[in-house]
Amino acid sequence: KNEVEQSPQNLTAQEGEFITINCSYSVGISALHWLQQHPGGGIVSLFMLSSGKKKHGRLIATINIQEKHSSLHITASHPRDSAVYICAVRVTSGSRLTFGEGTQLTVNP
Amino acid sequence: DAGVIQSPRHEVTEMGQEVTLRCKPISGHNSLFWYRQTMMRGLELLIYFNNNVPIDDSGMPEDRFSAKMPNASFSTLKIQPSEPRDSAVYFCASSLVGRLQETQYFGPGTRLLVL
Repeated sequence: KNEVEQSPQNLTAQEGEFITINCSYSVGISALHWLQQHPGGGIVSLFMLSSGKKKHGRLIATINIQEKHSSLHITASHPRDSAVYICAVRVTSGSRLTFGEGTQLTVNP
Repeated sequence: DAGVIQSPRHEVTEMGQEVTLRCKPISGHNSLFWYRQTMMRGLELLIYFNNNVPIDDSGMPEDRFSAKMPNASFSTLKIQPSEPRDSAVYFCASSLVGRLQETQYFGPGTRLLVL
């Protein structure tokens, strides 16, 4: 069993839909990252969370430390949101990140 | 700031050859990470440095891989000899450890193809 699991693996949505991507982890963590990887391969850090909720534009990330679960929400989705979204956790003991397998999101116009 | 700089962006080589990947972290950052991404295994941490010192190299696949950070502004990842299974995208990332917002900033990656 992977230490970090994401669901769904693939998600197709219509423009304007509300999207949720989930991340569950099984280890103690000090922080959780949500990353976005564009079709061209570049990786962008979206959020770093250690508790609660963060919002940036149409993106919202939440984390529940007790349940070891995080969600990434996209409101009013747009085709330019199409990318792979990767959840990564920083284990409590150091700075190394452990990654989920990613969620491929496709938003159709 | 130019962000994390990696070179080369693409590398094609024959098996058995030595490959050297280079990374320049963001100025002022004190942690540097080397990652590998493949279709089969996704993103994996290979090694990370803090203040130029290797902290965790447990992700380095085998002795063919070595990484150095001679100073705060430069790091190399070397594969010698290279094998076809080393084909992947290699990302370098840097961060400023100690701040609350310890975001890792990724470079554009080096796409390596070993024939």
